[in-house]
Amino acid sequence: DAKTTQPNSMESNEEEPVHLPCNHSTISGTDYIHWYRQLPSQGPEYVIHGLTSNVNNRMASLAIAEDRKSSTLILHRATLRDAAVYYCILSPGSGNTGKLIFGQGTTLQVKP
Amino acid sequence: DGGITQSPKYLFRKEGQNVTLSCEQNLNHDAMYWYRQDPGQGLRLIYYSQIVNDFQKGDIAEGYSVSREKKESFPLTVTSAQKNPTAFYLCASSIVAEEGYEQYFGPGTRLTVT
Repeated sequence: DAKTTQPNSMESNEEEPVHLPCNHSTISGTDYIHWYRQLPSQGPEYVIHGLTSNVNNRMASLAIAEDRKSSTLILHRATLRDAAVYYCILSPGSGNTGKLIFGQGTTLQVKP
Repeated sequence: DGGITQSPKYLFRKEGQNVTLSCEQNLNHDAMYWYRQDPGQGLRLIYYSQIVNDFQKGDIAEGYSVSREKKESFPLTVTSAQKNPTAFYLCASSIVAEEGYEQYFGPGTRLTVT
């Protein structure tokens, strides 16, 4: 299974944009890039996913590098409720069983 | 409201006892999953099921058992053979077990074994 590398922690100020990076240099051509986030003592929550093109939804944007070896989750205006652990996950494309392999993620702190 | 329910939220057991964690979903999802999370760590997959009456081992299945007799239910039994059962257990489901489909997670059960 292809692995991802994320910074352990990041800080942001409230109402400022946040760019959360993820490296996945061993990604295969059919791997999807998923982002989930987890608030303390809760189950993870889906944020966004993509394959090749940049993606936008109501929660965030996902920018995928042209070579797909890295991606960035963008929160356009951080709020205190965005403080969470953010996981970047690769989902195998072929023969996939829906398994998600979680790393340690990035702990995002948002300062008021 | 559709969603995934796990009960109870907190569970305490004595060492040597088996314990069953409940997971129910009313999302009409085919696939269901069980994960374990230890403090400061990411989630690790225990078992998953893509269809009723079928399930596969995940990365850390030893000491656990599951059943999938109904589409909406996927209970997990933590047996006395599990050496370190104290953890946060999370159940999830998805429409189909394919790439690109998001997983919906329950609120989790925190199991403490003493």
